[in-house]
Amino acid sequence: KQEVTQIPAALSVPEGENLVLNCSFTDSAIYNLQWFRQDPGKGLTSLLLIQSSQREQTSGRLNASLDKSSGRSTLYIAASQPGDSATYLCAVLRRGSARQLTFGSGTQLTVLP
Amino acid sequence: EPEVTQTPSHQVTQMGQEVILRCVPISNHLYFYWYRQILGQKVEFLVSFYNNEISEKSEIFDDQFSVERPDGSNFTLKIRSTKLEDSAMYFCASMNPRDRGQSGANVLTFGAGSRLTVL
Repeated sequence: KQEVTQIPAALSVPEGENLVLNCSFTDSAIYNLQWFRQDPGKGLTSLLLIQSSQREQTSGRLNASLDKSSGRSTLYIAASQPGDSATYLCAVLRRGSARQLTFGSGTQLTVLP
Repeated sequence: EPEVTQTPSHQVTQMGQEVILRCVPISNHLYFYWYRQILGQKVEFLVSFYNNEISEKSEIFDDQFSVERPDGSNFTLKIRSTKLEDSAMYFCASMNPRDRGQSGANVLTFGAGSRLTVL
């Protein structure tokens, strides 16, 4: 059974800092890994998706990496802003007929002005 | 850009009542999903649906839950007799395994969610 773990559970940083969020998964038989952002009480906003054959993806100040063999991904946020404050979720899409997405518990990020 | 649409955005119901949550997936997608998120907890998989049948379901998806694709466009989740612990945000998602998204295939697109409150 696929397990997805995110560390840390919560993170508070001053504005302008660069930061790294971590995600690990137990089963490397995946199609892809996706990072989402979730604001309190809201839906899921997809940030970046990395296919299993890729090593990283970049979008603006965000960079996500994937090491499938070790079961790890990182989300790097450069020059953090208060507007980045949210919960960041990592999810992996399992290979197979069902193609089920398994989520981590998330990292709650607070960027202090 | 195509969207997954969910209705209602928020529903309040009494314990024991039946609830139907509706979703309109993206039109050329083949896989359909329901996920739920209890307040403060992880997003959990409920059920996946492919080729007009359930392809996988979690242990949460017991006899009180059912899914249907009644007319080729809607995808519904029914809870027969709601319990207090069914209060959660319910997310619908769809996917086309051959969809050439920004990074290739197998991209799940989520709806904005339906918040269910059981009193």
